[in-house]
Amino acid sequence: EAQVTQNPRYLITVTGKKLTVTCSQNMNHEYMSWYRQDPGLGLRQIYYSMNVEVTDKGDVPEGYKVSRKEKRNFPLILESPSPNQTSLYFCASSQGSNQPQHFGDGTRLSIL
Amino acid sequence: QKEVEQNSGPLSVPEGAIASLNCTYSDRGSQSFFWYRQYSGKSPELIMSIYSNGDKEDGRFTAQLNKASQYVSLLIRDSQPSDSATYLCAVFSDRGSTLGRLYFGRGTQLTVWP
Repeated sequence: EAQVTQNPRYLITVTGKKLTVTCSQNMNHEYMSWYRQDPGLGLRQIYYSMNVEVTDKGDVPEGYKVSRKEKRNFPLILESPSPNQTSLYFCASSQGSNQPQHFGDGTRLSIL
Repeated sequence: QKEVEQNSGPLSVPEGAIASLNCTYSDRGSQSFFWYRQYSGKSPELIMSIYSNGDKEDGRFTAQLNKASQYVSLLIRDSQPSDSATYLCAVFSDRGSTLGRLYFGRGTQLTVWP
């Protein structure tokens, strides 16, 4: 089954404790992206990647890091999480940047 | 100026009516346009994609694109309560970006009442 898998689905943690949200897709897609979604602000892109080792910033990259060492994986790293990063996060992938994106189920992060 | 703007809603229509959702975009060179549906607490799911001017129909859904007016819309015919969700418009643009990326509107919340 074609899918984008995010882990964890839910996480409650404390300020400053490094965390990683994993994202993996099994569709051999080149393009992957991370979004955060907050009430009233819609989906905002954090980072995106066209292929291995090729990434670029989206609208709200501050406080986040990404890496694309393998085509299927695109982890999101919060080196020192803060409460303003409490949000619902989505990973997405597509065959190309101008193609429809397939979304993971989301990760709800709460940072206390 | 935001890249993609949607009528903010919320939009409320009776069951069986036509729901009309609208979206404008700023990059005249945009080539790819998408509508997503998102139920509360769930991930966005693709409903329609449209790439050329005119109408594209898929079941009860029709996407309309007018590149001259930089306008894309989604019509839902015979609306059902199960259509109640937030609808997101997304536009691909490579303006100001080496890779090109999707820009999402903030969404329009639709409620279909029985």
